[in-house]
Amino acid sequence: DTGVSQDPRHKITKRGQNVTFRCDPISEHNRLYWYRQTLGQGPEFLTYFQNEAQLEKSRLLSDRFSAERPKGSFSTLEIQRTEQGDSAMYLCASSLDPNTGNTIYFGEGSWLTVV
Amino acid sequence: AQSVSQHNHHVILSEAASLELGCNYSYGGTVNLFWYVQYPGQHLQLLLKYFSGDPLVKGIKGFEAEFIKSKFSFNLRKPSVQWSDTAEYFCAALLNRDDKIIFGKGTRLHILP
Repeated sequence: DTGVSQDPRHKITKRGQNVTFRCDPISEHNRLYWYRQTLGQGPEFLTYFQNEAQLEKSRLLSDRFSAERPKGSFSTLEIQRTEQGDSAMYLCASSLDPNTGNTIYFGEGSWLTVV
Repeated sequence: AQSVSQHNHHVILSEAASLELGCNYSYGGTVNLFWYVQYPGQHLQLLLKYFSGDPLVKGIKGFEAEFIKSKFSFNLRKPSVQWSDTAEYFCAALLNRDDKIIFGKGTRLHILP
């Protein structure tokens, strides 16, 4: 499969633990995005990268959240000291320049449950 | 604040009925618009997009949407729905050459066989 892949697909963790999600974008895509989706809501933007540079972070991204894309390929999203309110699906997406008509492709998401 | 609004949160239709899902955006500048669909257990997939040109955009699976700039709207339509159209539909916008898209809250469509 040459789409956007995310790992793990499901994660259950105890409150206070750290979790890390990985995203592998479509190989030639230079933009990589992280979104969060809760039940009954649309995806909410968290952050995005152009190559290895993190160009924008949402106010939703508290100090406990950090994202990296060290070589401009895969990305990780780490949540430290998880809280129950962090329970959500974390979506990764990738694209070429979306302003020239390129499609943003989404992965299947990583479900996080904090107990 | 810049936003995308979807009027219907849950729609139930019978097969062969016509569909129209509303979407409005609040932004006065250049905007590109999208409809994504999420079938049960699957990832978000692009149905159609508007960047420029003909405001009536045709997408996959018989869907179409019309961009009406004066109404800040981009409603999704399908003349005759099928049971397999049961899914959640998201309207989204790319604002003023920003690199990210913002989403509406989604409309859950349930088609009765």
